Amino acid sequence: QPVLTQPTSLSASPGASARFTCTLRSGINVGTYRIYWYQQKPGSLPRYLLRYKSDSDKQQGSGVPSRFSGSKDASTNAGLLLISGLQSEDEADYYCAIWYSSTVVFGGGTKLTVL
Amino acid sequence: QVQLQESGPGLVKPSQTLSLTCTVSGGSISSGSYYWSWIRQPAGKGLEWIGRIYTSGSTNYNPSLKSRVTISVDTSKNQFSLKLSSVTAADTAVYYCARDKSPGEFDYWGQGTLVTVSS
Repeated sequence: QPVLTQPTSLSASPGASARFTCTLRSGINVGTYRIYWYQQKPGSLPRYLLRYKSDSDKQQGSGVPSRFSGSKDASTNAGLLLISGLQSEDEADYYCAIWYSSTVVFGGGTKLTVL
Repeated sequence: QVQLQESGPGLVKPSQTLSLTCTVSGGSISSGSYYWSWIRQPAGKGLEWIGRIYTSGSTNYNPSLKSRVTISVDTSKNQFSLKLSSVTAADTAVYYCARDKSPGEFDYWGQGTLVTVSS
C-alpha cells in the first residue's frame, strides 16, 4: 500500500469548491506530518501551493491566493486541500507530499477538471 | 529571484550513467539553510523525488533509487549534480532540480529537462 493515496480525478463546477484528499497509509498518523501541496498545469512545472500541519503550523506559498487552503481529517487519516471559488485556470494536477522516513514521498496526484 | 537550470544529455543509452547538472543563479547555493533536490516525472505520470544535498555534502536519497544515485555539489560553480547509473527505459522522464526550503517544500524549480533512455 502506498504511503500517500490520492484519488485519480475530481470534477467540480466553476464557482464551486473542490476538496482534495491525501490519505496516509494505515499506521502513519496524519497529525504528525506537514502535508505539502503542489499544482501542475499541463506542460508546466509544479508550483508549490501550501503546507499544512495544524492551524498553528501552516504556510501559504508565495503569491498563492487565499482561496487555496489546507486542512486535515483525522477520522480518515487524510490531509486536505480545499479550493473555493473554482476558476477554469485551476484545472490541473494536484500532488501532496510528506517527509517520511528521511524521504520525500509524493502522492500519485489528482486531476481536477473544472466543468 | 532564484533561478535553477538543468543541463545535460537528452539521450542516454541503456546501462549507462545519466548525468545532469543544475545551475543556480540569483543567489548563492550556500546561502540560507537550503537543501537542493532532484525530482523526476515520467511522461503522463506523477512526481518522484530522487534525493537531495546540502552544501556541506550531506545527502538523502530515495531508497528505491539509492543504490544507483549520487548527488554532489560544487559551491564554487553554484551547481549541484545528479548521476544515475545503470539506466533503463524506466528512467526516461523529465528531470527537475529544485530548492528544498524544508523537507518536501520545493519553492523554486528548474524548467525540467527530458532525458530519454534508448539505444
